[in-house]
Amino acid sequence: SQQGEEDPQALSIQEGENATMNCSYKTSINNLQWYRQNSGRGLVHLILIRSNEREKHSGRLRVTLDTSKKSSSLLITASRAADTASYFCATDEETSGSRLTFGEGTQLTVNP
Amino acid sequence: DGGITQSPKYLFRKEGQNVTLSCEQNLNHDAMYWYRQDPGQGLRLIYYSQIVNDFQKGDIAEGYSVSREKKESFPLTVTSAQKNPTAFYLCASSPRYTGELFFGEGSRLTVL
Repeated sequence: SQQGEEDPQALSIQEGENATMNCSYKTSINNLQWYRQNSGRGLVHLILIRSNEREKHSGRLRVTLDTSKKSSSLLITASRAADTASYFCATDEETSGSRLTFGEGTQLTVNP
Repeated sequence: DGGITQSPKYLFRKEGQNVTLSCEQNLNHDAMYWYRQDPGQGLRLIYYSQIVNDFQKGDIAEGYSVSREKKESFPLTVTSAQKNPTAFYLCASSPRYTGELFFGEGSRLTVL
């Protein structure tokens, strides 16, 4: 079953602009993670935020988590053409036994 | 270098044939996972294993089988019972308690 739902499904921006992707989920979680996937490749872990955290930064990435609204956002600042990829959120549900459930992803295109 | 190796990268199969996808990791991770990804969609969990000689069904286990005889290896067999096996298959591993997944580069299976 798909726990996370990303919004928007696709996003096209110009280099230098910021990109914001959102993820909503349905059940209580231990943590929420964001992954990146280049076309035809495996996923790469970007950042993990625990249920007791509200915000986390890693380089040009900023993730927020609102457990009351069951939602998270990923902000990529000063985007580059190399940021073009699909971005997925994944939730570690409290009852899941350490298995992640992925959303359907946001396809980000950064135009040079 | 440490990582996860999936093979083959591309595989073609005739209907009615079983095929086995290989996944090997040298990260000393306890847990290993198999996901299926269809075009434009997220990942769905097929099977996972948290310890040698033990594994659990994921959300879409029907038509698939796995084994975990060694910590480093978690092969996936796509059997003839799988009705729609054409997909991109991703193997992942994770260290105990951190929750972060490390992915291989994937195997693309096409049924002719």
